[in-house]
Amino acid sequence: QIQLVQSGAEVKTPGASVRVSCKPSGYTFTNYAINWVRQVPGQSLEWLGCINVGNGNTEYSQKFQDRVTILRDTFANTAYVEVTSLRSEDTAVYFCVRGSGPGSWRFDHWGQGTLVTVSS
Amino acid sequence: DIVMTQSPDSLAVSLGERATINCKSSQSVLSSANNKNYLSWFQQKPGQPPKTLISAASTRESGVPDRFSGSGSGTDFTLTISSLQAEDVAIYYCQQYHTGPITFGQGSRLEIK
Repeated sequence: QIQLVQSGAEVKTPGASVRVSCKPSGYTFTNYAINWVRQVPGQSLEWLGCINVGNGNTEYSQKFQDRVTILRDTFANTAYVEVTSLRSEDTAVYFCVRGSGPGSWRFDHWGQGTLVTVSS
Repeated sequence: DIVMTQSPDSLAVSLGERATINCKSSQSVLSSANNKNYLSWFQQKPGQPPKTLISAASTRESGVPDRFSGSGSGTDFTLTISSLQAEDVAIYYCQQYHTGPITFGQGSRLEIK
């Protein structure tokens, strides 16, 4: 069955960077997009951006495009999100979500989430 | 950005009764190219990731019980649970994927009365 397995929880200090990984299985990695969404505890969901895994093209929310980079390694079958210049407001659970096509924003399968805590 | 507004923020419904959650977008999410509404609904239980229930406003994902249904077009949408079960206690979110950035509603908390 389709699964997206994310890396473990991270604790970072303000100003640092973090990289979260997402390793899907159960389908052909390069045929679908990967979106990244975050959820501050107790709040709704925010879209960070997405990557067309097949050709590497990315799209970002303007709110995050200066500090967020979405990558993929087709040999390792893994997608990543990097967030730089972390601040306390970036404390959130970060989810990878499969798009239903190569550049699709239509979400289907979700990763389990990775808690990133930013604290001095 | 397209603003998604859900109502109510919370609701309590008796087991076996109907639950209805509304979602309104600040702009139409109906595509003129294919006449599809780019609107999804998600269910999130405590400590779990969201689960996709419905996309294209009314298409249930594989494995989603048929007591869940979605309707609406343009700017006004509804998620209906026809006969509430105990396992349906969750927060429900709508989302538009018509225009970037993708945006979500604030969530509606569903409890048992």
